[in-house]
Parts: sequence; C-alpha cells; structure tokens
Amino acid sequence: KNEVEQSPQNLTAQEGEFITINCSYSVGISALHWLQQHPGGGIVSLFMLSSGKKKHGRLIATINIQEKHSSLHITASHPRDSAVYICAALPHTGTASKLTFGTGTRLQVTL
Amino acid sequence: EPEVTQTPSHQVTQMGQEVILRCVPISNHLYFYWYRQILGQKVEFLVSFYNNEISEKSEIFDDQFSVERPDGSNFTLKIRSTKLEDSAMYFCASSNPGPQHFGDGTRLSIL
Repeated sequence: KNEVEQSPQNLTAQEGEFITINCSYSVGISALHWLQQHPGGGIVSLFMLSSGKKKHGRLIATINIQEKHSSLHITASHPRDSAVYICAALPHTGTASKLTFGTGTRLQVTL
Repeated sequence: EPEVTQTPSHQVTQMGQEVILRCVPISNHLYFYWYRQILGQKVEFLVSFYNNEISEKSEIFDDQFSVERPDGSNFTLKIRSTKLEDSAMYFCASSNPGPQHFGDGTRLSIL
C-alpha cells in the first residue's frame, strides 16, 4: 500500500514569495500528479510527471524517483494561487490505475 | 479545452434513498474513475472502469454502490440506500490513459 505524505500541511506566504511544497511516497510509482483544489472544491490537474522537471508559467514540479520525492514550486506567488495543492501517486500506467492522494497543503498567499 | 462535467453540483437526499451521480467524461477517453472526499479528509479512490467493466474497486465500494456507462457519453455512480456517512464530495475523472482529468465534483448531502 502506497503512503503519500505532504509537507507542510498549511502554508502562509506574502505575495511575491517563492513557495515549495513537498511530497514523498513509500512505494515505487510510474508517475505523480500535482493537483490544485479551489475553495469551491473543484480539482484541476497541474502536472503529471514521471522524471525530471516540468514547468508551466510560474509553477515548476520536480521529481526524484530514486528518493521517492517530488516538489511543487511557485515563483512570484500571488493571492490567486491560494488553494489546496495535492500530490497523488499513480502506481502504473496503461490500465485504469487508481491515484493515491496526499492530504494536501493549504496555501494562503496574502498581499 | 475538453473537460469532464458532473451533474448535479449539489444533491441533497434523505437517508435510505437512492441517488445517481452523473458524469460526462472527455469524449475520447477510455478510462473512468470515481473518487470521493469526505469534508476535511483526503480524496479516496472508489472505483475504476474500462472496457465496460470495473477494473478495480476499493473497500469503500460495497454492494450499495454501482457504476454504469449507459450510453456512449455518460458514466454514472449509483448509491442504492444512502447513509449519513455517504455525505461527501464525489469526483469523476477520466484518462486515455495518462493524466486524469477531474470534474468539478458533486457535493452529496445526506439528511
């Protein structure tokens, strides 16, 4: 059974700060999702990565498969980035594989 | 960009009643999922569906739950006799495989 842990659980930052959210998992995976959940509850997929690094706008995700660790970075944070960020592990691809979710990191960016 | 749509956005039902949650996955996707999130908790896997049959289901997905793809576009989750503890946000997702795309969820409230 894969355990997915995130840190920190809560994070408050001032606008413009560089933010890092960490995710670790206990069992080898084929890929990791980073998701954003807004206050209304909807979930948006930010990244799926299986190695290295991906960048989209001010968001950067990295993964180290050997260390079973991934990070999500937000550069030049803005109040609209306030949300819950969730990592979710995918055990293998090519089939209807379930995601195992972390507990989420609640980010609040203030002016 | 194509998206997963879920209806209704909020469903209020009396305990013991049947409820059907509806999802329209992205049209060329082949893999379908239901997840749920009890308030304040992490997202949990319920069931995955591929090629008109269940691929995998969790312990939560007992005999009270069923899924169906009644036509080429809809994917439904039925709870036969709802319990108070079924109150949660239910998310549908689809993939091809690759990244799973989520709907905005249905908030189910059992009275």
